[in-house]
Amino acid sequence: GQNIDQPTEMTATEGAIVQINCTYQTSGFNGLFWYQQHAGEAPTFLSYNVLDGLEEKGRFSSFLSRSKGYSYLLLKELQMKDSASYLCAALDSNYQLIWGAGTKLIIKP
Amino acid sequence: GAVVSQHPSWVICKSGTSVKIECRSLDFQATTMFWYRQFPKQSLMLMATSNEGSKATYEQGVEKDKFLINHASLTLSTLTVTSAHPEDSSFYICSARETEPYNEQFFGPGTRLTVL
Repeated sequence: GQNIDQPTEMTATEGAIVQINCTYQTSGFNGLFWYQQHAGEAPTFLSYNVLDGLEEKGRFSSFLSRSKGYSYLLLKELQMKDSASYLCAALDSNYQLIWGAGTKLIIKP
Repeated sequence: GAVVSQHPSWVICKSGTSVKIECRSLDFQATTMFWYRQFPKQSLMLMATSNEGSKATYEQGVEKDKFLINHASLTLSTLTVTSAHPEDSSFYICSARETEPYNEQFFGPGTRLTVL
């Protein structure tokens, strides 16, 4: 079957760096997404990786290893507003998104 | 990025009534739209996939007669919750995908439904 695994919750300190890991098993693979979702709001797009390697976009970076079925989202210089859930989703062979349960990130002062 | 709107943003209704939620792609044509439901502190759950001009494909466990989906045009899909009950209270989110590239999927702001 298809499966996405990511930690349920993580805690980090303001100004620090945090890495959220995601492993996936899908029928075919057409890329890996990371979304941010604040409570009560719809998800917003953060990143898309389809090739191996690191994609950097400001304070956020996303990494993909297709051979390992593994991705991570790296958040630097954490701010209080980064407190949110971070959703990992893989695009399968039918171009359907398979979602992880999300990682709730708690930022402490 | 492309914009997807949803209407209404929130709705409160009495048990037994029907509620229609609209999802529109404002500046692109969406051949495929997705409807998700999210209960508090839970992940998104895909309810159904709708393709313009054809019947929606429902995920296992989602009652197609209760959640009616109509994707009549390339910019509009509607979800009607028929005979709503309190357990249908949830956050409903639509997303839309352009014809190409298939990796682009844009989310609407969501509709919070409360059934009394």
